[in-house]
Amino acid sequence: DQQVKQNSPSLSVQEGRISILNCDYTNSMFDYFLWYKKYPAEGPTFLISISSIKDKNEDGRFTVFLNKSAKHLSLHIVPSQPGDSAVYFCAASAGPGNTGKLIFGQGTTLQVKP
Amino acid sequence: GAGVSQSPSNKVTEKGKDVELRCDPISGHTALYWYRQSLGQGLEFLIYFQGNSAPDKSGLPSDRFSAERTGGSVSTLTIQRTQQEDSAVYLCASSPGGGYTFGSGTRLTVV
Repeated sequence: DQQVKQNSPSLSVQEGRISILNCDYTNSMFDYFLWYKKYPAEGPTFLISISSIKDKNEDGRFTVFLNKSAKHLSLHIVPSQPGDSAVYFCAASAGPGNTGKLIFGQGTTLQVKP
Repeated sequence: GAGVSQSPSNKVTEKGKDVELRCDPISGHTALYWYRQSLGQGLEFLIYFQGNSAPDKSGLPSDRFSAERTGGSVSTLTIQRTQQEDSAVYLCASSPGGGYTFGSGTRLTVV
């Protein structure tokens, strides 16, 4: 049972344009969500997070949107840069808050073309 | 060290052999997690240690897998009688109670 799903295995965008990565979840008890970025041969690194009491969190070029009723979140990167090319994982915390184990999606490989 | 250290970085083993993977978490981090990433898959939760509490072993795929955390610090993930489907990158993460830091992983190849 895949509780966190990233249905797009890959995404390709042009440098300077917006990248939108999507994530869906099934467990309404999840209350904290995170995005991680992973380069080859490295561990995932934390990018941005959002609590379920918010619907938007912004950090520089990165914005995460949460739609609780649709059980959907998205990560927007604007403007996209070639260095953003990586695998992006969506995760939900089994909680409470940002504690406990994380349930990860399958990942989306983003390629930003110069 | 400043980060989570995992060793070895790569391990090739023959089917049926036992392997041990090591994780040195960030000093003072009370929580330690093991995940694995199989080819083309997401990160699959394996086991979670939190302080002196009993570990959450709910993600271990079979009884061939076990893990321990000695002295609340270093952790060892042991896979007995390895199978080809165990081939994956095994990732360790530690946390002070919120927010993970991952190691670079151990790439295990069972031939």
